[in-house]
Amino acid sequence: DQQVKQNSPSLSVQEGRISILNCDYTNSMFDYFLWYKKYPAEGPTFLISISSIKDKNEDGRFTVFLNKSAKHLSLHIVPSQPGDSAVYFCAASGRQYTGNQFYFGTGTSLTVIP
Amino acid sequence: NAGVTQTPKFRVLKTGQSMTLLCAQDMNHEYMYWYRQDPGMGLRLIHYSVGEGTTAKGEVPDGYNVSRLKKQNFLLGLESAAPSQTSVYFCASSYGRSSYNEQFFGPGTRLTVL
Repeated sequence: DQQVKQNSPSLSVQEGRISILNCDYTNSMFDYFLWYKKYPAEGPTFLISISSIKDKNEDGRFTVFLNKSAKHLSLHIVPSQPGDSAVYFCAASGRQYTGNQFYFGTGTSLTVIP
Repeated sequence: NAGVTQTPKFRVLKTGQSMTLLCAQDMNHEYMYWYRQDPGMGLRLIHYSVGEGTTAKGEVPDGYNVSRLKKQNFLLGLESAAPSQTSVYFCASSYGRSSYNEQFFGPGTRLTVL
């Protein structure tokens, strides 16, 4: 049973516009969330994180929003650049999981069109 | 620093053959992980280790064994490969502190079982 879901397998955005990637989770015990970016033939790389004590975290062009009541988080990229074209995974964890375990979503493939 | 490295990058096996995937990290991380990535399934945790000499099961451990004889290495073994184990395998590592920490991923091993 998928505890972290990314319902949009793909997204296309024009360069300079905003990209919004969405992620939903079912486990109310999750309290820490990460976004990873993955290029073809490479491993995922960490992008940005958010704790459940916050509802927003910014890092340059990337902002993650968390809506705990809806069990929903989103990643905003503004402005989008062609180099942002990649697969984005969200991941979640909770205090009950030992070993810093994270559950990953299925990924959203973002294409930024020049 | 090389970060997380994986050997081999590609491998083709016949059903019933065995093999070992090697993961090495030079960041002095306590925790290490093995994931598999399949289309439409995201990253799923196979096994993980919270320190030298320790291992634990993740979401999908069946058909795999692991060993962590040295802190910097984490081995994933397939004793009798099956076509269902055709996948891309990622190793990751992280600090072993009390708070959450991002995981650092290797480049992946693409395994095909015929």
